[in-house]
Amino acid sequence: EIVLTQSPGTLSLSPGERATLSCRASQSVSSTYLAWYQQKPGQAPRLLIYGASSRATGIPDRFSGSGSGTDFTLIISRLEPEDLAVYYCQQYGSSPWTFGQGTKVEIK
Amino acid sequence: QLQLQESGPGLVKPSETLSLTCTVSGGSISSSSYYWGWIRQPPGKGLEWIGSIYYSGSAYYNPSLKSRVTISVDTSKNQFSLNLSSVTAADTAIYYCARHGSLSSPSKNWGQGTLVTVSS
Repeated sequence: EIVLTQSPGTLSLSPGERATLSCRASQSVSSTYLAWYQQKPGQAPRLLIYGASSRATGIPDRFSGSGSGTDFTLIISRLEPEDLAVYYCQQYGSSPWTFGQGTKVEIK
Repeated sequence: QLQLQESGPGLVKPSETLSLTCTVSGGSISSSSYYWGWIRQPPGKGLEWIGSIYYSGSAYYNPSLKSRVTISVDTSKNQFSLNLSSVTAADTAIYYCARHGSLSSPSKNWGQGTLVTVSS
């Protein structure tokens, strides 16, 4: 099973600042099979990024993903108050699919 | 617009079987383009993939739960279901149903989730 480790656990930033979230895999993951989700309080997860860098339909361009191998990054270029959420990475190339433990983004 | 809605008991006793159904609207569960899955989230914790099924009935499970899980599909009702046997308090979670494009695709569509508590 591929273990995904996200860091930091919590990120506290002001509106307009840049957020950098990390996802590290215990073994190599094809970039084709790496996704990021946003989960706002009380809601289901929402797909943000798939294939490591492709934005899902309707996702603002301030969200971007990159990475390969075992290291992947989600960047929120200019934080907005509505970005308050927990962000999860997921690999879906190797069964069982696995998720990281999440990074909580707090808005100051 | 595709919608998925979970339904089932919110409280299950230890050692019993948890049974949930996901009703799909705005799209056909028989589409050859999609798989249908279950994912759970213990309160305040992360996400765990339980398993997925194709409309033909081919199912794929997380090995950590495989001995206790059955996922089935009812194309006539546009529904798929989850059965999890011999539950314990560790199975208390929000259970989500979701749609993904293939076994190697992310979940683009999710239900709102339903909380199932295991307690006597």
